[in-house]
Amino acid sequence: NAGVTQTPKFRVLKTGQSMTLLCAQDMNHEYMYWYRQDPGMGLRLIHYSVGEGTTAKGEVPDGYNVSRLKKQNFLLGLESAAPSQTSVYFCASSYFGGAGELFFGEGSRLTVL
Amino acid sequence: SQQGEEDPQALSIQEGENATMNCSYKTSINNLQWYRQNSGRGLVHLILIRSNEREKHSGRLRVTLDTSKKSSSLLITASRAADTASYFCATDAGRGAQKLVFGQGTRLTINP
Repeated sequence: NAGVTQTPKFRVLKTGQSMTLLCAQDMNHEYMYWYRQDPGMGLRLIHYSVGEGTTAKGEVPDGYNVSRLKKQNFLLGLESAAPSQTSVYFCASSYFGGAGELFFGEGSRLTVL
Repeated sequence: SQQGEEDPQALSIQEGENATMNCSYKTSINNLQWYRQNSGRGLVHLILIRSNEREKHSGRLRVTLDTSKKSSSLLITASRAADTASYFCATDAGRGAQKLVFGQGTRLTINP
């Protein structure tokens, strides 16, 4: 079982460039999440989705967009990257949302110069 | 703002000792979860405790929940070097428990 797969694992961008992080899950989960992790800040929720075709804002949504066109995929986009978006990004999925266990990917490390 | 706060931020103990980490949260919850993160890896679910439960066990893990104090603790007994990791508490947020809000984590180091 692959579980939750994130691509790419590493990326370096210049300020102003755009990119998309892809999250794929093979567990038929309805709920999917994008978090960012910064030193000393724990995990902060960027956006999440409660099902195919839905998205919702989390704690720190500014500068990011998401799409959930297929149930198994959740894309996180940065339209114009800024150094403040340098972080490690984690995708997670869940069958029961916050009422149950979240399954995490291995993370995508993004550096914006 | 983050819901949960772990204490201490860092903990270093000898192998074989017990490790206790605490989590405090701000608003009412339906459940509280604990996760482990090894360096450079994703988070792994350890245990979930519901608001109507006071204590839960899983192997060497013991979790307690005090909803009156809005706090939880994670006890790891007979620690091993492999327990070295960061530990996070997470609480469901908002109606319908659609999402989890994580604390800042406790960094646990087990010295051989």
